Amino acid sequence: DIQMTQSPSTLSASVGDRVTITCRASQSISSWLAWYQQKPGKAPKVLIYRASSLESGVPSRFSGSGSGTEFTLTIRSLQPDDFATYYCQQYSSYSWTFGQGTKVEIK
Amino acid sequence: QVQLQQWGVGLLKPSETLSLTCAVYGGSFTDFYWNWIRQPPGKGLEWIGEIHHSGRINYNPSLKSRVTMSVDTSKNQFSLKLRSVTAADTAVYYCARGDLLYPFDYWGQGTLVTVSS
Repeated sequence: DIQMTQSPSTLSASVGDRVTITCRASQSISSWLAWYQQKPGKAPKVLIYRASSLESGVPSRFSGSGSGTEFTLTIRSLQPDDFATYYCQQYSSYSWTFGQGTKVEIK
Repeated sequence: QVQLQQWGVGLLKPSETLSLTCAVYGGSFTDFYWNWIRQPPGKGLEWIGEIHHSGRINYNPSLKSRVTMSVDTSKNQFSLKLRSVTAADTAVYYCARGDLLYPFDYWGQGTLVTVSS
């Protein structure tokens, strides 16, 4: 299996901050990477697919970049609704695997 | 609009079989893969497996020996069975729509399954 490693595990930030989360794959996954946002008690919601494509309806302050083994999710100006846990997921090679998550907390 | 609605028994004893079903409303049932994903309390996400209407199936190797997935195309439903459960299988189980070249874009509401003696 391809292992996905996110950093940091927890991130404390304020409204208006620029936030960056990193995801590393144990082998190249080209651009087959998605980012999800999950709030407590809810199913994850896809934000970004194919590493940098914004899912329909997702605010443009979210962006993704990277290819191969290193990827980033950036939130340009953190909003109150963005405090949540974020997961990366590779869909390059079975079995599909997720990062361990990054919790974005209020500073 | 696509909706996934799931149901199943929420409390099991060790060694019993977990059984969940997910119904798909709206959209195409035949164009996608239908997935099960689980999340232990306070932990991350683990993909369990996927099934296509054609019967093509892929399982997570770590669970493959205990998992069976099936599909009922007449009802646009798919199901999960996980045998010989233990406390380590306690989790919220989600059904989700996916594709080989696209991530999980629609999810069920989640079902908490607790394994306890």
